This record gives sequence, C-alpha cells and structure tokens, in this order.
Amino acid sequence: QQPVQSPQAVILREGEDAVINCSSSKALYSVHWYRQKHGEAPVFLMILLKGGEQKGHEKISASFNEKKQQSSLYLTASQLSYSGTYFCGTAIQGAQKLVFGQGTRLTINP
Amino acid sequence: EAEVAQSPRYKITEKSQAVAFWCDPISGHATLYWYRQILGQGPELLVQFQDESVVDDSQLPKDRFSAERLKGVDSTLKIQPAELGDSAMYLCASSQMDRGAQYFGPGTRLLVL
Repeated sequence: QQPVQSPQAVILREGEDAVINCSSSKALYSVHWYRQKHGEAPVFLMILLKGGEQKGHEKISASFNEKKQQSSLYLTASQLSYSGTYFCGTAIQGAQKLVFGQGTRLTINP
Repeated sequence: EAEVAQSPRYKITEKSQAVAFWCDPISGHATLYWYRQILGQGPELLVQFQDESVVDDSQLPKDRFSAERLKGVDSTLKIQPAELGDSAMYLCASSQMDRGAQYFGPGTRLLVL
C-alpha cells in the first residue's frame, strides 16, 4: 500500500525550514528518502530502520516513529539546491519491495 | 564514482512495436530493480532481482512485459507489443543488499505514438 506524503507542495524562501511527512497504514521495517530534480533520476538521501532513530545529512535530517508508522524529513536553513521532489519509500515487515509515495514538490526561492 | 548505466536514454516507438531497455548496475550490487515512473508520480516497482532470480514481479504486466538478468549482472526489460499507456520513464536501480540504499540510473524516457 502506497504511503501518504504531506504536504503535496511547499514553497519557501532560501534559509527557511521545511518538514515533509510520510505515513503508512502498515507496520514498517524501513523508510527511505530520495530527492528528484526535474528530468533527473531520484537520488538517495537516507534510510531509517525501525527503532525510532534519527539520521542527519548536512542540514537534512529525518526521524522514524515506529509506533505511528510515520517518518518526517527535516530541511533546515534551506538552500536553492534543495529544490526538487522528495519521495519517501517504505518497506513493510515481511516484504522486500519498496513502495514510493506520491512525492512532495519543494520550491526554494531566493 | 560508480553509476548505474541505462540505454537508450530516449525511445520513440509506434504502438504494437517491440522495445527493449538495458541496465548495467553498479559493480557488486546483487539487487536490481526496474521501476516505471509516470510524470508527477512516484516510481512504481515492476520487477526486482536478487542476483539472477526474480524476487518480486507482482506489478509487471506479464502479457506484454518481460525482464531478465541472465548472469546476475546486467538486465534487459522488454515490452511487446507497446501500448500508448506505456509512455513513461523507465528507471533501473541497484543496491548492494536487499532493502539497502538504491542508486538509480538516468532512466529511459519512452514515448509510444
């Protein structure tokens, strides 16, 4: 079952913060986050495994709430290069494949 | 830095013709994935290989699509016959292990006329 991402789109000014959420109705084993720029392939950002861990990558970090089957991606002090569509991909317990959400389009303006 | 290679990058074909896409994963990556991505949507898994074995092809339209990874390295995805609704980006990805980080190739953009 496809995870639900919110919001669908965000417009920010450079330097502002953003949070993108990903929710599933199924028990999750892991959550992946990818960024895709227009006309390009998705680029891996990070994986979170069940256990409520939080990971960071420069000014981009994420958390995974296993009990709520939710993950959030945090972008702080956003840069122009952060623009793109962010996808979460979820793997449920007992399954091997990743199911991607519908994406969140992030636009950063100067 | 190692990358996933795909060819061709663009393909225009007519309805009912056959098309084939090729993917060469990052060396040493045992898991290979073929995804279809329609504009404005997330990638949808078509088939997943572990070495040369198919581990998931539940969303592959098997009446017209086929995929193989004969020696557990590169892979081919074929569509025969192509339909108008097959127009999309076809992405190949690979990962070192099952459920690991996936690294995507540049994709093949298919247009069926």
